[in-house]
Amino acid sequence: GENVEQHPSTLSVQEGDSAVIKCTYSDSASNYFPWYKQELGKGPQLIIDIRSNVGEKKDQRIAVTLNKTAKHFSLHITETQPEDSAVYFCAALNNAGNMLTFGGGTRLMVKP
Amino acid sequence: DGGITQSPKYLFRKEGQNVTLSCEQNLNHDAMYWYRQDPGQGLRLIYYSQIVNDFQKGDIAEGYSVSREKKESFPLTVTSAQKNPTAFYLCASSASQGEQPQHFGDGTRLSIL
Repeated sequence: GENVEQHPSTLSVQEGDSAVIKCTYSDSASNYFPWYKQELGKGPQLIIDIRSNVGEKKDQRIAVTLNKTAKHFSLHITETQPEDSAVYFCAALNNAGNMLTFGGGTRLMVKP
Repeated sequence: DGGITQSPKYLFRKEGQNVTLSCEQNLNHDAMYWYRQDPGQGLRLIYYSQIVNDFQKGDIAEGYSVSREKKESFPLTVTSAQKNPTAFYLCASSASQGEQPQHFGDGTRLSIL
């Protein structure tokens, strides 16, 4: 089955700096890669996603890049703000489209 | 507003008891999912349902059961066979099998007394 590794597990940045979180996946047939933000006591919220037919997608301060050959994808947050502090999860969807496998999460702390 | 409602937010169970977690969605989604989240870890799939009256086991189905009698409802029962049930349980839905993204509820935290 699919295996998703996420790094780092914790990340501390100064407000205004950029943050990068990286994930690798094992199943080359995976074709959809979402990123979720989870605040304490809440369910994960989708912040951006990318499909395997594109290499990069951007939405304001958030961008995701995908390297299918190397089987890794990354989340980039620019101009970080304290409200970006949360746990971020990457995931990969199997080829059948019925199972998401999640990474272990990254706790991002943005210091004012 | 459309969304996913999980209840209760906190649930306590005595050892040896079964307990049922509720998940309701008004998004008209066909597919629904249950995940378990342990502290500091990612989400693991327990069960999923692609359509009414059908469901499939995920990676960690042992000790759990589900039903899907109505499109909008997908309750999860944590049985006494689940030896380590203390966790945060998340329900999600998507428009249909293969359609993404999945939308999540705000979870139920289950603890053993």
